[in-house]
Amino acid sequence: GDSVTQMEGPVTLSEEAFLTINCTYTATGYPSLFWYVQYPGEGLQLLLKATKADDKGSNKGFEATYRKETTSFHLEKGSVQVSDSAVYFCALDRGTSYDKVIFGPGTSLSVIP
Amino acid sequence: DAGVTQSPTHLIKTRGQHVTLRCSPISGHKSVSWYQQVLGQGPQFIFQYYEKEERGRGNFPDRFSARQFPNYSSELNVNALLLGDSALYLCASSLSATGTYEQYFGPGTRLTVT
Repeated sequence: GDSVTQMEGPVTLSEEAFLTINCTYTATGYPSLFWYVQYPGEGLQLLLKATKADDKGSNKGFEATYRKETTSFHLEKGSVQVSDSAVYFCALDRGTSYDKVIFGPGTSLSVIP
Repeated sequence: DAGVTQSPTHLIKTRGQHVTLRCSPISGHKSVSWYQQVLGQGPQFIFQYYEKEERGRGNFPDRFSARQFPNYSSELNVNALLLGDSALYLCASSLSATGTYEQYFGPGTRLTVT
C-alpha cells in the first residue's frame, strides 16, 4: 500500500544552519505531496504542497521539489530560526474519491540559539 | 473566519467507557475527516464524510464510528475504550471529497484513557 518514509529525528540545529529533512514515498498513480508542521500543543498546519512531478512548493523560506524519478519530496530551508522548532510531517494524497492523507512518522526539529 | 473547531480540548475516560468527540468545519466546507495521532507518530486516517455520507474508512475496529450532520459538523464515537485509544484526535475539513482541495486541521482533542 501507499506509504511515506521520513528521516528519523530528533534533529538539532543551530540558528541560521541549513535544514534538510528527507522524505520518500511509495504510491500508485500520481499523488499530491505535502509538508505539514505541528508546533508544540497545536494541530497540523499545511506548510507547502506540490501536485505534480517537478513542481516546487515553497512557503516561509521552506522549499520542496516533487521528484517522481526518485519518489522523493525533501524539505529544505537555507537558514533556520528558533521559531522553526516543531515536528514536520511529510504526507501524500492520491486524490481518490475521498480525502485520505497518508502521513509519515514525523521529524522533530529543535533549533538552538 | 473561524477555522476548524473541536471539542472538548482534553478528555479523560476510563477503560470500557464511551466517548464522543465533536468537530465543526470551516464554513462552506462539506467534507470532514478524522485522524488519530498517537504520541510520537504521524496521524492515521479513521473516517472521511462528505455530504453526510461515509466516503472512506481507515483500518480501525468497529468500536469507532462517526456521523455528519446537515450543518456538516461531525461526531466521532468510540465505544469500549482501551488504553491504546489514548491519542490526539484530529478533525480536518475541506471543500470537497477529492484530493484537489486542501484540508484544514483543527487543534485536536487529547483523549486519555486510564
